[in-house]
Amino acid sequence: QSVLTQPPSASGTPGQRVTISCSGSSSNIGINIVNWYRHLPGTAPKLLIHSNNQRPSGVPDRFSGSKSGTSASLAISGLQSDDEADYYCATWDDSLNGFYVFGTGTKVTVL
Amino acid sequence: EVQLVESGGGLVQPGRSLRLSCAASGFTFDDYAMHWVRQAPGRGLEWVSGITWNSGTIGYADSVKGRFTISRDNAKSSLYLQMNSLRTEDTAFYYCAKDLSSRVENGPDHWGQGTLVTVSS
Repeated sequence: QSVLTQPPSASGTPGQRVTISCSGSSSNIGINIVNWYRHLPGTAPKLLIHSNNQRPSGVPDRFSGSKSGTSASLAISGLQSDDEADYYCATWDDSLNGFYVFGTGTKVTVL
Repeated sequence: EVQLVESGGGLVQPGRSLRLSCAASGFTFDDYAMHWVRQAPGRGLEWVSGITWNSGTIGYADSVKGRFTISRDNAKSSLYLQMNSLRTEDTAFYYCAKDLSSRVENGPDHWGQGTLVTVSS
């Protein structure tokens, strides 16, 4: 059971903006960087945002990330049909011996 | 170009062992921490284990602690996961992933295509 909570689903029409939230705590998001990944099951996940709000080279600026306190969010603007995928936030958790943790995941559907 | 190629998956009976390997290329392997991440059928991504560049710090998810062992051979640019006492709930795609830095806390930036492990009698 993940300590990072995301909504199970989000949707929008082409061109719209979709925002995905990620709720954590003072032992994870509150003190560590947040990454966001896109994943289609059976394929390699892809890093979309690292260090809270940084886009790796090749990731379009339609994707943006932010963090405030113990929560983070990913925004997808100009939604496209091939944005349909599962999206995960992730960060390090300093509790116990420390571990990396992924959020519960959000399925994005383009209507 | 970063490439990570996993191997060693397959069908195994409960209680048996399996060793996964990951061959890395396209980057200086011993500059980076590495991870194993899995996805069980119908479930989300789950971090399994991570190891720093020099194997000085190793971490495991509670679900595999005491059963799985991560290791690396920097001379061979390879990452391994020894999985013992396998359970049906270990059935999943297992992904090898490179960290953003030499430490495990920053998280993965590149991933392999995964290898499927099925634990069933």
